[in-house]
Amino acid sequence: ETGVTQSPTHLIKTRGQQVTLRCSSQSGHNTVSWYQQALGQGPQFIFQYYREEENGRGNFPPRFSGLQFPNYSSELNVNALELDDSALYLCASSAGLAGYPGELFFGEGSRLTVL
Amino acid sequence: DAKTTQPPSMDCAEGRAANLPCNHSTISGNEYVYWYRQIHSQGPQYIIHGLKNNETNEMASLIITEDRKSSTLILPHATLRDTAVYYCIVRAPGAQKLVFGQGTRLTINP
Repeated sequence: ETGVTQSPTHLIKTRGQQVTLRCSSQSGHNTVSWYQQALGQGPQFIFQYYREEENGRGNFPPRFSGLQFPNYSSELNVNALELDDSALYLCASSAGLAGYPGELFFGEGSRLTVL
Repeated sequence: DAKTTQPPSMDCAEGRAANLPCNHSTISGNEYVYWYRQIHSQGPQYIIHGLKNNETNEMASLIITEDRKSSTLILPHATLRDTAVYYCIVRAPGAQKLVFGQGTRLTINP
């Protein structure tokens, strides 16, 4: 158990819809990162939030957006869903900016299926 | 792109030591080597990390070559629960992200 919780665990959407995924970070962690993991691939960095501000973004279009709240929990929003958005979405928390030099703690993920 | 190269799969007998290699020939002087593993349908789990000295914790040992161009993760007494995909990652201090490659799928056989 990492103390990072994600919801929902599974969901099914159709193309064009919007989805919101939620993450509660481990107590004391002020940095949250989101990753997308397609089937059979390693996780890919989407973005990171530090103290409610986006602090880095991977190669994902603007329809992927996020929020971090004062309690350091976070949301990932994806608009205009496409079939290729089907993936496991992972949230990771860490203490301090980028968690250096320690580790990221991952949640169990939210599995999104787009039909 | 990932800066590491790992074999796609390995097998190991239960109770034996599992040695997982990783090549990172372009590693910079300030980059750490991290190892994570991902058991099927779960989030990645941190195992260990190091800069240049060998490291050991309750889960594993990390051996980094003197030139830092490669490393080996050692699980001393593998169990069936160690079956997972193991990712070797290099990461600079303050880096915002982990760059995952394809990893090594380790299967522990009874």
